[in-house]
Amino acid sequence: SSELTQDPAVSVALGQTVRITCQGDSLRTYHASWYQQRPGQAPILVIYGTNYRPSGIPDRFSGSRSGNTASLTIIGAQAEDEADYFCSSRDSSGNHLWVFGGGTKLTVL
Amino acid sequence: QVHLQESGPGLVKPSETLSLSCTVSGGSISSGGYYWNWIRQRPGKGLEWIGYIHYSGSTYYNPSLKSRATISRDTSKNHFSLKLTSVAAADTALYYCARQFMDPSKGDWFDLWGQGTLVTVSS
Repeated sequence: SSELTQDPAVSVALGQTVRITCQGDSLRTYHASWYQQRPGQAPILVIYGTNYRPSGIPDRFSGSRSGNTASLTIIGAQAEDEADYFCSSRDSSGNHLWVFGGGTKLTVL
Repeated sequence: QVHLQESGPGLVKPSETLSLSCTVSGGSISSGGYYWNWIRQRPGKGLEWIGYIHYSGSTYYNPSLKSRATISRDTSKNHFSLKLTSVAAADTALYYCARQFMDPSKGDWFDLWGQGTLVTVSS
């Protein structure tokens, strides 16, 4: 199966912009989704279909893709955005098999 | 509002069968076109997709589990379950249930997750 690679940790100053990336061959073909997970809590979907935001997710969250890299951008990061973020897509085989990135811990300074 | 909650033993002995349930409240698992999944996170590792049961009852599994996984459902109790046979220490993980939607143009995503339940495999 294919793999998705994320930076383990990223930090951002309060109110600034941060981009979290996810790299993998499957992303050339399949959409990425992004999830936020705070300690001890269930993951929350923040982006699907590469760049769609579910209702209830603040518009400071956005997604994009370039080649084999998907990105989650937070414009004007808030303290409550401090969490783990992980990406997911269908495996590059196209079969019903899904892969996840290792997760990026976002620290808001 | 739909809510998912995992339940099951927190400790399983090696070579035995791990059994978990996911109770869904606020919505039916047999309607709506959704896929009901099990996903796990082993210590220090990323997430691993285990398999799903579709609202129609069809199932699909990660080949890496070598046919050890079985997902079933009880529509009368509105829950779905995971059985993983012949467990070993490597199956120690936080197990999540999650609802998934597939769209022809926007792809697939897991829109609701349970809190997760920790299962340790140890004698």
